[in-house]
Amino acid sequence: DVKVTQSSRYLVKRTGEKVFLECVQDMDHENMFWYRQDPGLGLRLIYFSYDVKMKEKGDIPEGYSVSREKKERFSLILESASTNQTSMYLCASSLISGRSYEQYFGPGTRLTVT
Amino acid sequence: GQSLEQPSEVTAVEGAIVQINCTYQTSGFYGLSWYQQHDGGAPTFLSYNGLDGLEETGRFSSFLSRSDSYGYLLLQELQMKDSASYFCAVTSGGSYIPTFGRGTSLIVHP
Repeated sequence: DVKVTQSSRYLVKRTGEKVFLECVQDMDHENMFWYRQDPGLGLRLIYFSYDVKMKEKGDIPEGYSVSREKKERFSLILESASTNQTSMYLCASSLISGRSYEQYFGPGTRLTVT
Repeated sequence: GQSLEQPSEVTAVEGAIVQINCTYQTSGFYGLSWYQQHDGGAPTFLSYNGLDGLEETGRFSSFLSRSDSYGYLLLQELQMKDSASYFCAVTSGGSYIPTFGRGTSLIVHP
């Protein structure tokens, strides 16, 4: 079974803090993704990566950055957290070919910025 | 750009059949996927349709009509545990990255 883990289930940070969200997958998937999920808005793609040290912007990259130093690990960074970044953050991974449409998600990190 | 439309909420009774529709607008369409997400849980992949027709997996089936830019998820013999949000997602335009709809909340009543 593919397993995607995220470093925290719940996180509370203050405005202006730098926040790191970590994601690890154990199935040697090439692709990794960061989404945020807000009520009524579905899943919106923040950034994705198809290889180590490679990154591409998604639909809503503003205020975020990412890092992929190892194939199994993809980090989301909020350089200076703001209250409008309070959300559920979901990490996912997938193969780069074949069943690339099938994403495996982590349990999510619910981030509250106060 | 891409757009997907699905109902925000559907209700049904245990044992019934329910259909969740998804219409999409996109260029270079590849396929339509469905994901299930229980409250507080992670989305999990249910099905994928790359070709027209019906794909069946147990109590769940998914249908695609490429000419109508339309698909649906059919859930039979509904159980209480089927209460969840269901997302359709399209892959298109040379990208392997699915674009998700806003989700349909399915409420199953006893």
